Amino acid sequence: NAGVMQNPRHLVRRRGQEARLRCSPMKGHSHVYWYRQLPEEGLKFMVYLQKENIIDESGMPKERFSAEFPKEGPSILRIQQVVRGDSAAYFCASSKLNTEAFFGQGTRLTVV
Amino acid sequence: EDKVVQSPLSLVVHEGDTVTLNCSYEVTNFRSLLWYKQEKKAPTFLFMLTSSGIEKKSGRLSSILDKKELFSILNITATQTGDSAVYLCAVEGGDSNYQLIWGAGTKLIIKP
Repeated sequence: NAGVMQNPRHLVRRRGQEARLRCSPMKGHSHVYWYRQLPEEGLKFMVYLQKENIIDESGMPKERFSAEFPKEGPSILRIQQVVRGDSAAYFCASSKLNTEAFFGQGTRLTVV
Repeated sequence: EDKVVQSPLSLVVHEGDTVTLNCSYEVTNFRSLLWYKQEKKAPTFLFMLTSSGIEKKSGRLSSILDKKELFSILNITATQTGDSAVYLCAVEGGDSNYQLIWGAGTKLIIKP
């Protein structure tokens, strides 16, 4: 039973480019959470999704960031026109309803 | 293979008890060890430990790291029902530029 899979593990983008981060939840999990971790800070919640629905995006910046979790395929966190401040580790977690979430190993985004 | 092992996997105690949660690790290029409390969707950052033998304290919670024996403990004194949660340990390190290796968590239940 594979765990939560995130790819790529490391992504380098130039300022102004788009970054797409993928998260495949564990089998049977229909809830996905995205977090961002800045250097020397804890995880910061960004968005909570169920299949085809955004449940809570209170932690997501209003501009340039979007997330989706389609009926088929992985969840995608998309960052348009990246800036240096977007450099961080982005973690995804998945769960069943009302159970603990399991985390992926993260995607390290570096904006140069 | 890098790994983080937490024990016990679950623990049930009564209010007022003291609990000790364990986290052992085998991670290359160790940089830091982090503890999180996970309730509902958003893990709450508790401690970041980088140096051996220096206790970090926050209210009834404290934690210490032993880099020689490769483990950390999280202590909670005078437990309250609000301490019920999953406690996650993660180690920053590994063979890529940035990686968080997560333990499976300890599910703590405090009975009134």
